Amino acid sequence: GDSVTQMEGPVTLSEEAFLTINCTYTATGYPSLFWYVQYPGEGLQLLLKATKADDKGSNKGFEATYRKETTSFHLEKGSVQVSDSAVYFCALRSGNTPLVFGKGTRLSVIA
Amino acid sequence: DAGVTQSPTHLIKTRGQQVTLRCSPKSGHDTVSWYQQALGQGPQFIFQYYEEEERQRGNFPDRFSGHQFPNYSSELNVNALLLGDSALYLCASSLGPGGREGYTFGSGTRLTVV
Repeated sequence: GDSVTQMEGPVTLSEEAFLTINCTYTATGYPSLFWYVQYPGEGLQLLLKATKADDKGSNKGFEATYRKETTSFHLEKGSVQVSDSAVYFCALRSGNTPLVFGKGTRLSVIA
Repeated sequence: DAGVTQSPTHLIKTRGQQVTLRCSPKSGHDTVSWYQQALGQGPQFIFQYYEEEERQRGNFPDRFSGHQFPNYSSELNVNALLLGDSALYLCASSLGPGGREGYTFGSGTRLTVV
């Protein structure tokens, strides 16, 4: 079945550092891809999405490009802030199937 | 505009007991999906309710059951609780089962089984 693999955490960065969180997927068909963020004590919030190959999703300085040839959707941000500290989940959905999530990557940004 | 509301926020149950969790969807949404998020893991799909029927189900035993009411709110019931049922239970609402306009997640119910 469909699956998502993302890099293990935790990831600890200094403020203003460059962030990359790797995500690869396995799916039949052509899935839509998502990044969700979970702040402490809260539910999941959609960060960005891409629905077809070569699409770039972006929001709040984060971006990810749907790479069909490498089945990847890596999350990047040029300059992280302390407020970006959270758990990030890569997810996919094929057709009307439910969202399939990766295990999550915890990011800690220190001042 | 209220988002997804879940209750209770936390609860502790004893092994073998039964529990009911509740979810009110975002205004305008008619579909509710339930997910289990174990510590350090990503959310796992339990089931989805639309038009008061279970539409899709993940790989969870029959101890997990649900219901949707005419006002679109939903309940998740878990019978014969096991220690391994300890997790954060998330409810997500959407407009239609396909969720093409996106899903809105609640903050979850933290269930601890002792």
